[in-house]
Order: sequence, then C-alpha cells, then structure tokens
Amino acid sequence: GQQLNQSPQSMFIQEGEDVSMNCTSSSIFNTWLWYKQEPGEGPVLLIALYKAGELTSNGRLTAQFGITRKDSFLNISASIPSDVGIYFCAGRLGQGAQKLVFGQGTRLTINP
Amino acid sequence: DGGITQSPKYLFRKEGQNVTLSCEQNLNHDAMYWYRQDPGQGLRLIYYSQIVNDFQKGDIAEGYSVSREKKESFPLTVTSAQKNPTAFYLCASSISASGVYNEQFFGPGTRLTVL
Repeated sequence: GQQLNQSPQSMFIQEGEDVSMNCTSSSIFNTWLWYKQEPGEGPVLLIALYKAGELTSNGRLTAQFGITRKDSFLNISASIPSDVGIYFCAGRLGQGAQKLVFGQGTRLTINP
Repeated sequence: DGGITQSPKYLFRKEGQNVTLSCEQNLNHDAMYWYRQDPGQGLRLIYYSQIVNDFQKGDIAEGYSVSREKKESFPLTVTSAQKNPTAFYLCASSISASGVYNEQFFGPGTRLTVL
C-alpha cells in the first residue's frame, strides 16, 4: 500500500535541545496528523493539519502542512524527558478518502 | 469519561485457536478501525467500519474477521488462519470515515502472543 517516508527513524538528543522530524510522499495529501506513542500504549493525537501552509502549535510542539501538500514537519522545542516516545505522521490522500496512511515512526530518546 | 477501551491488555493464545479482541467506544463515532503494529514498524490497517452492519477489508485482512452489530462495539477475531498473529493490536474510531475533520483516536491496545 501507500507509504509515507518519515525521517529520521531515530533521534538521540540531550534534554533541552530542539527536535525536528518530517514526513514526505510522492502523493498529495489533504490532511496531515501527528501522533505520539509511548511504550505499550496507543498513539495519542498531537496536531491535525488541514490546509497547505498551515502552521499549528500545541504547547512546545509545532507542525506544518507543506506547501506542496506532499510533506509535513513536526518540531519540538526545548525537549524534556517526557517527550520520549515514537512519533508517527499520518496522512489522508483525498477529501473522501476513508483510510489513513502512516509513516514508520521516529523514535525519540532523550539523555537527561 | 469518553474514550475507547480495549480488552484484554494482554492475551495469550495457543496455536490453532481463534481469539476475539474487544473494542468499545462511547464517543458516538460512526467509524471504527483495527490496526496491527509489529515491533519497530508503523500501523497497518486490518478492517474498518463506516457504519453499523458494514465493514471493509484493509491492507492485511487475511486471517481476521470483524463484526459491527452495535455502533459502540467493533470486535476483532484473530483466526487460526492468521499465520503470524503475535503483534500489538490497536482499535481506533473517528466521527466518520470520510469528511474533512475526521481524526482517528486510538484505544490503549491489546498485545497478543501466540504460544
């Protein structure tokens, strides 16, 4: 099936650093969603994006819907230990599309 | 509290047995989904349902079956035909399957281990 390319696959950073990750595709998406998953738990929705160019924040998290509609970015500022987890992007291909396409995830590890 | 519940949290099954995973939501959502997650991988769609008494196959439906007799419930049966059933299973729901604002919200998951 359709795939999203999410990068990096993993990140090892120091507490307090900023984090950037992205998802790209060869297809155009009309919705981008960013989720965080902690070990043994279900993903939690962080940010939803619906328009090209849209920039949305949720606390220290900021996500953008790429202008080309083929990519999206997630930034975390001033990381803290509770940011540890796996971050997934997900996209919806068309307005009537019934399914989400998921990236493979970015595993974030923070050294205190 | 509104949300999605999955039970049990951990499930062990012997080879050759069918097993049913429960998913219930009280969000009044029309659409429900089942995903499978393997270690280090993303989510793969097994089945989804847009309304009661209707469901469609996802990308990896072989060896699984579902029913949607009530809006609140979408149980998944892992049959003996599923060749590699050990995985983390996630249920999700959304207001509708299509439409503009239809984010999916996930339950806590069930970890199935075949012994």
